[in-house]
Amino acid sequence: AQKITQTQPGMFVQEKEAVTLDCTYDTSDPSYGLFWYKQPSSGEMIFLIYQGSYDQQNATEGRYSLNFQKARKSANLVISASQLGDSAMYFCAMRGSRGGGSNYKLTFGKGTLLTVNP
Amino acid sequence: DTGVSQNPRHKITKRGQNVTFRCDPISEHNRLYWYRQTLGQGPEFLTYFQNEAQLEKSRLLSDRFSAERPKGSFSTLEIQRTEQGDSAMYLCATSDPDGKNIQYFGAGTRLSVL
Repeated sequence: AQKITQTQPGMFVQEKEAVTLDCTYDTSDPSYGLFWYKQPSSGEMIFLIYQGSYDQQNATEGRYSLNFQKARKSANLVISASQLGDSAMYFCAMRGSRGGGSNYKLTFGKGTLLTVNP
Repeated sequence: DTGVSQNPRHKITKRGQNVTFRCDPISEHNRLYWYRQTLGQGPEFLTYFQNEAQLEKSRLLSDRFSAERPKGSFSTLEIQRTEQGDSAMYLCATSDPDGKNIQYFGAGTRLSVL
């Protein structure tokens, strides 16, 4: 079974500063994928960034980077230069190994509510 | 709009009624997923299709729930004899068959059972 833990129910950050959202995971799969999604109050889940378990480098997408520490089973999201529009719920998720239907589904954490203050 | 489309966006129904939601995927995506999200929680997996084949169903998907994807394109999720506990956001996601399997979500259907 896979498990995602997000220990920060809420985070506050000043506009233009960087913020780190924590995510730890547990799995017995030899390979897996880690994802971060943003969910504004409108409800849509927006894909932000992906990290494969065998990727040598940490993933980056614009202002988003994923601090992947495999031995610690952590996949923290770093948002640089926060903007007011970054205020939203952020979910960490993972999927297991490829090769079967059961391994394509995503397991999500409970999320972190980020508030960016002006 | 080339994203995942879900209709309706909101549905209010009385307990005991049947409801049906529709999901139209990104056209080249052959994998389609349904998730349910309750207040304060992350989405939970319900079921998964590859083309028209339903390959996995969660234990959350009781016998009152049925999902179809008849031609491997759009999908429907039906809930029969709705209960107040069915009130939730129902999210559809699709992905293409590459190594990353990134799932792209629709805006969801918010169901309220009175």
